[in-house]
Amino acid sequence: DGGITQSPKYLFRKEGQNVTLSCEQNLNHDAMYWYRQDPGQGLRLIYYSQIVNDFQKGDIAEGYSVSREKKESFPLTVTSAQKNPTAFYLCASSIPAGEQYFGPGTRLTVT
Amino acid sequence: QQPVQSPQAVILREGEDAVINCSSSKALYSVHWYRQKHGEAPVFLMILLKGGEQKGHEKISASFNEKKQQSSLYLTASQLSYSGTYFCGTVSGAGSYQLTFGKGTKLSVIP
Repeated sequence: DGGITQSPKYLFRKEGQNVTLSCEQNLNHDAMYWYRQDPGQGLRLIYYSQIVNDFQKGDIAEGYSVSREKKESFPLTVTSAQKNPTAFYLCASSIPAGEQYFGPGTRLTVT
Repeated sequence: QQPVQSPQAVILREGEDAVINCSSSKALYSVHWYRQKHGEAPVFLMILLKGGEQKGHEKISASFNEKKQQSSLYLTASQLSYSGTYFCGTVSGAGSYQLTFGKGTKLSVIP
């Protein structure tokens, strides 16, 4: 079955540590996205990638980094520079300008 | 800039109708609609492209008025399964991959 997987579902980290969230898709989509969701805020775009080895900052990229070495994978690193990292993180993929398919999300808690 | 959704929340009895509005201050190329149930990933409902078209999916339909930069989602004869938070996402340019989401409208359908 085609889809997007994110792991882990829940992640706990201590303040000051970098953490990497995994996102894999087997839909053969060129475009992939990372969103952050906070209560009452909707989904805010962190980074997106239109093609392998290329990515662009979204609206809230500060404190985050990404890589796109393979078409199937788009990992997100939450660095210690991100001031409020506790949130629900969603990965998505799409054909160019098409509907976005979302993964199940990773809930990150930093204490 | 985030599109503005209204209302923020609505409670319906089964069988009642609802309209959710999405308004942008920027010229729009397309509007996406998604529904998210609590703790789950958003699920795609429909895309409306520039041209003022109206689309439908069973008892859920939508319209897009590009001159007013507005889209509306119509839910008729609501069912319990319609409960969730509805998000509109807007795209400003034909070649743009960036989707900007509103803060969402929480819809609760009660028996």
